Amino acid sequence: GESVGLHLPTLSVQEGDNSIINCAYSNSASDYFIWYKQESGKGPQFIIDIRSNMDKRQGQRVTVLLNKTVKHLSLQIAATQPGDSAVYFCAEIPSGTYKYIFGTGTRLKVLA
Amino acid sequence: DVKVTQSSRYLVKRTGEKVFLECVQDMDHENMFWYRQDPGLGLRLIYFSYDVKMKEKGDIPEGYSVSREKKERFSLILESASTNQTSMYLCASSQDSSTDTQYFGPGTRLTVL
Repeated sequence: GESVGLHLPTLSVQEGDNSIINCAYSNSASDYFIWYKQESGKGPQFIIDIRSNMDKRQGQRVTVLLNKTVKHLSLQIAATQPGDSAVYFCAEIPSGTYKYIFGTGTRLKVLA
Repeated sequence: DVKVTQSSRYLVKRTGEKVFLECVQDMDHENMFWYRQDPGLGLRLIYFSYDVKMKEKGDIPEGYSVSREKKERFSLILESASTNQTSMYLCASSQDSSTDTQYFGPGTRLTVL
């Protein structure tokens, strides 16, 4: 079946450095993408989204890049802080469906 | 801010018991969803509802049922709990179209002994 995958299951980053978390998606009909952050014992929290008519979107300290040619999504976190430590996962939403396709997640560890 | 709440953070039940998990959202969202989350498997959709009394099966509906009698409340029911239903259960809601963001509750960690 179609799935969303992540290249790195665990990413360790020094505090203050930038983090890049990657996601590959397989459904070319997907036209909406979301990054979620999930802290231990909590539900997923919306971070940022992007629609397929865009290739970049910026939020506060976060940027999402979408490369439709190679079906790749990335989340960039600037000046990573200890509070950024969590599992991050992407979701792709094929056009016309309510069914999100979630990746299994990347754990981000911020080293002091 | 969207608020999705779930009735319990932690729940321990015995095999064969009937289990009710409740979810409430306060944003007048049309759609509500129930997922389970297991290590290495990510989030898997159990059921979703796009209107009161309306429901559709997700990817893993076996062993579960749902109820949506009021717009703000979506219940997940395990008719006869089994040990393989031990998991984190997450509820989510979204506005009305397929491209509206799903917002999640805090989750219920269910253990079936």
